[in-house]
Amino acid sequence: QVQLQESGPGLVKPSQSLSLTCSVSGGSISSGNYYWSWIRQPAGKGLEWIGRIHTSGSTNYNPSLNSRVTISADTSKNQFSLKLSSVTAADTAMYYCARATGFFDYWGQGTLVSVSS
Amino acid sequence: EIVLTQSPATLSVSPGERATLSCRASQSVNINLAWYQQKPGQPPRLLIYSASTRATGIPTRFSGSGSETEFTLTISSLQSEDFAVYYCQQYNNWPPRTFGPGTTVDLK
Repeated sequence: QVQLQESGPGLVKPSQSLSLTCSVSGGSISSGNYYWSWIRQPAGKGLEWIGRIHTSGSTNYNPSLNSRVTISADTSKNQFSLKLSSVTAADTAMYYCARATGFFDYWGQGTLVSVSS
Repeated sequence: EIVLTQSPATLSVSPGERATLSCRASQSVNINLAWYQQKPGQPPRLLIYSASTRATGIPTRFSGSGSETEFTLTISSLQSEDFAVYYCQQYNNWPPRTFGPGTTVDLK
């Protein structure tokens, strides 16, 4: 059973960078044909796909966030990470990591990130 | 970018009744569409993928149908634990992967 767990600061100041890590257990992020993904959800709103990293290491990002997003992986720790730069209040949301084969079959519980001074 | 539209925004249903949720895509996604259920304080849970295939452990009262641009999620006999928000998601085109705005199923 694959399990994902997000971690990182719950509060980030405007204009700074948001950095989150997703720790994966029950499966290797470097094997299989999977996309390890980040998705966010502002309170009371819908889901927004942020981007993904494939087991091969290739990445894809949402064009609406493309210039601010970096997703990377540390296979030795079986973790992948999200960095979102130049954050504003609009980036306040619950951030989820998930495994995808197109659709998202395993999700973390999410971590709430607030952007505020 | 493919835009997904879900209707209705809110569906009020009594336990035991049938619930029918709709998802429409702005262009064909073939059958590359999934449905998720989300309850307050929880991450989304995969219900259906490939438009009509139930995910592991999903009760048979959940069924999906459709192709190309028109899709339906049906809950045949609503149980109390089914009151939640339901999202559709397409994975035919990227970037980006897109979700619909959701349908809230609440108690009538």
